[in-house]
Amino acid sequence: ETAVFQTPNYHVTQVGNEVSFNCKQTLGHDTMYWYKQDSKKLLKIMFSYNNKQLIVNETVPRRFSPQSSDKAHLNLRIKSVEPEDSAVYLCATQGPEVFFGKGTRLTVV
Amino acid sequence: GEKVEQHESTLSVREGDSAVINCTYTDTASSYFPWYKQEAGKSLHFVIDIRSNVDRKQSQRLIVLLDKKAKRFSLHITATQPEDSAIYFCAANYNQGKLIFGQGTKLSIKP
Repeated sequence: ETAVFQTPNYHVTQVGNEVSFNCKQTLGHDTMYWYKQDSKKLLKIMFSYNNKQLIVNETVPRRFSPQSSDKAHLNLRIKSVEPEDSAVYLCATQGPEVFFGKGTRLTVV
Repeated sequence: GEKVEQHESTLSVREGDSAVINCTYTDTASSYFPWYKQEAGKSLHFVIDIRSNVDRKQSQRLIVLLDKKAKRFSLHITATQPEDSAIYFCAANYNQGKLIFGQGTKLSIKP
């Protein structure tokens, strides 16, 4: 049963454009994450957000920014996308376990 | 920094045999070790976990072993079936519960 909802499923855009991905969780968990999965399937944590406290992975470029309106939502904005941003972006939420959404596949052309 | 190393990038076993995937971690404070399965074109799905207060956990055909001294843990899939074919990721927690993942092991079950 899906409890972490991500939109869109896919997005194709040109270099330099701005994109925004949405994530909503219905589990009532306090902590949410964004992960990036590259073409080699490697998973890297980008952001964690807990009780209005944002923790950023220091390797994340500044053109990425998370946006949260409440603890059920954590969106991801990318200003001026670059080719290396092509990847699957996975939203996750944590209670005792971490649950993942289905991901948003971004292709930058 | 903290790392989780997953030793087998690919693994192929015959249907019915057992598959073993090994991981090591670096953070001695890690206390939670989940495993995830990712089927082709799909997201990660939780399969089993183990906490540092035990050294073995079993759920049906899945067994997880933890050796805290060696900072090593492993996933054993017994009596493998075709639907076990997927990429398996190990992970360990660090820094207030965040997960760091291994590189993934692509498991193929041959008939």
